[in-house]
Amino acid sequence: SQKIEQNSEALNIQEGKTATLTCNYTNYSPAYLQWYRQDPGRGPVFLLLIRENEKEKRKERLKVTFDTTLKQSLFHITASQPADSATYLCALDMGDNTDKLIFGTGTRLQVFP
Amino acid sequence: ETGVTQTPRHLVMGMTNKKSLKCEQHLGHNAMYWYKQSAKKPLELMFVYNFKEQTENNSVPSRFSPECPNSSHLFLHLHTLQPEDSALYLCASTLRGADGYTFGSGTRLTVV
Repeated sequence: SQKIEQNSEALNIQEGKTATLTCNYTNYSPAYLQWYRQDPGRGPVFLLLIRENEKEKRKERLKVTFDTTLKQSLFHITASQPADSATYLCALDMGDNTDKLIFGTGTRLQVFP
Repeated sequence: ETGVTQTPRHLVMGMTNKKSLKCEQHLGHNAMYWYKQSAKKPLELMFVYNFKEQTENNSVPSRFSPECPNSSHLFLHLHTLQPEDSALYLCASTLRGADGYTFGSGTRLTVV
């Protein structure tokens, strides 16, 4: 069956360091992968989309990589700030041209001053 | 505000009650979704509507009944729910082929 795995343990880092979150998937051939941020009690907020033919994408302090051979995406936040503390969700499309997204469980990031 | 508005934000209902969740977007999106989010579990896709036509019912029990009267509004009608249905219910919309979903803030549902 299709499966998406994200680090289940919380990631704690010091302010100013680079946070790296991992998303691995099996039994998928997604056309694209997305990353979202979710704060407690709120809905997820879209951050970045990367397509299967793209290796890397950047937006301000965010960088996403997509390796379809390893079936893995890495999400980096450089110069992290306490305001970056949140849960980050990885989501993949079903690969069937329906725009349906399947989500991972998320990784909680805590940035300490 | 994200552009997707969900009401109510919180709902407590008994197992014999009937209630409805409402979702509204005026972003010009043509697809709308209901997701369920329970603690320590990934978002579960429940229903998909494209151009107000239901295109997906992800094996959801019949005690959940969606309605999409137009491309801007989506409802989730609830009846005879179980305590395990307590969760955060999220509505999302997107423009097919464009980047990302826009989510509402969700309805925190507690079934007692």
